[in-house]
Amino acid sequence: GEDVEQSLFLSVREGDSSVINCTYTDSSSTYLYWYKQEPGAGLQLLTYIFSNMDMKQDQRLTVLLNKKDKHLSLRIADTQTGDSAIYFCAEIDSWGKLQFGAGTQVVVTP
Amino acid sequence: DGGITQSPKYLFRKEGQNVTLSCEQNLNHDAMYWYRQDPGQGLRLIYYSQIVNDFQKGDIAEGYSVSREKKESFPLTVTSAQKNPTAFYLCASSADGQGANGYTFGSGTRLTVV
Repeated sequence: GEDVEQSLFLSVREGDSSVINCTYTDSSSTYLYWYKQEPGAGLQLLTYIFSNMDMKQDQRLTVLLNKKDKHLSLRIADTQTGDSAIYFCAEIDSWGKLQFGAGTQVVVTP
Repeated sequence: DGGITQSPKYLFRKEGQNVTLSCEQNLNHDAMYWYRQDPGQGLRLIYYSQIVNDFQKGDIAEGYSVSREKKESFPLTVTSAQKNPTAFYLCASSADGQGANGYTFGSGTRLTVV
């Protein structure tokens, strides 16, 4: 089974906030990442958070990390149609490799 | 501009044939990776290489082979032993496998068996 879990689908109205949740298992992960994938394309690094941080904000993106619960979330403020994509949560495992969740398909409706 | 290039973008293979997917990077990254993506399953690691002339199996290496003769290049061969090769293949690279920059991904190759 996967070590990183995400819900598979999220529908949000344009202008609202989106929140994508993720749980991970490797407590030794130093960095946790959010990637975005648009249809037919590769993955683009959106943001990351270092494990000694609780929160990181980058323009419309806010990442929250709860190490105790091994829970990571990505909030997108003022969601736009261009935010429609698949979002992947990822952690670095103890072997130094990225482990990805299955991805959350975000659909933004007008 | 530095980046990672995968070719071709689309590839069709007849059953029983081997096919090689290209991945080239000019980022001077030491580590390179191949992932397979199927709908609803996220990314699964096929092979990775942390240094030239060395590579390791990932979670789903059966039916695939790789080489790493040059730092810039990490081609993936999908052999006839791979029973279900139709998928989207992604190549990635990283400076040291960890750190704030994570991995840089190519734009992918979609392989279809006909």
